[in-house]
Amino acid sequence: QVQLQESGPGVVKPSETLSLTCSVSGDSMNSRYWTWIRRPPGKGLEWIGFVYYSGSPYYNPTLQSRVSISVDRGKKQFSLRLSSVTAADTAVYYCARVEEGYGGHSQYYYYYYVDVWGKGTTVTVSS
Amino acid sequence: SYGLTQPPSVSVSPGQTARVTCSGDVLGSQYGFWYQQKPGQAPVLVMFKTIERPSGIPERFSGSSSGTTVTLTINGVQAEDEADYYCQSGDTSGTPVVFGGGTKLTVL
Repeated sequence: QVQLQESGPGVVKPSETLSLTCSVSGDSMNSRYWTWIRRPPGKGLEWIGFVYYSGSPYYNPTLQSRVSISVDRGKKQFSLRLSSVTAADTAVYYCARVEEGYGGHSQYYYYYYVDVWGKGTTVTVSS
Repeated sequence: SYGLTQPPSVSVSPGQTARVTCSGDVLGSQYGFWYQQKPGQAPVLVMFKTIERPSGIPERFSGSSSGTTVTLTINGVQAEDEADYYCQSGDTSGTPVVFGGGTKLTVL
């Protein structure tokens, strides 16, 4: 059974860097994408980005200038760093496993969705 | 703003049918995926590739598509189905994961 667990500071000061780690159990992490998603209070889900097990990342264009996602297969962990945080970055942050597929209706393409989620960790940006 | 548009809320009485829609140009050519999120819990995948139901999801959940709209239908709604529902797909510019704004399903 695959399980993911987020860890990191619950409070980050404005302008500083938010750092979270996700520990993976029950999966080798190989040949998979691993992702971070957040939900600000009173708002919907926002995809932050994902990283392939070999280390290639892909970020949400709206956050790309501030975000970095990396993977450490030896420790079975992947990490999120979000720089220059403001109150707008206050959210519940989820790490999750991504399922990739290739298919489609009229034309084939690579699609992605989340099949396993961590429980989430609350991060508040406050001085 | 979201490339995928959902109604903010849907209300239904127990035992009735709830339909949650998600619209976006990308859905004319790409699959839709649906997640259920209850308060204080992580989201759960309830539908993938528009019409396929993961194991463990009750049969009352089904998915469909018409044009650029995908729909999550819950037949015989139960109180436990009260939750926020999010659709997800890619977007037309190539971003691989995009969520709709979410729909709060209230069971009256």
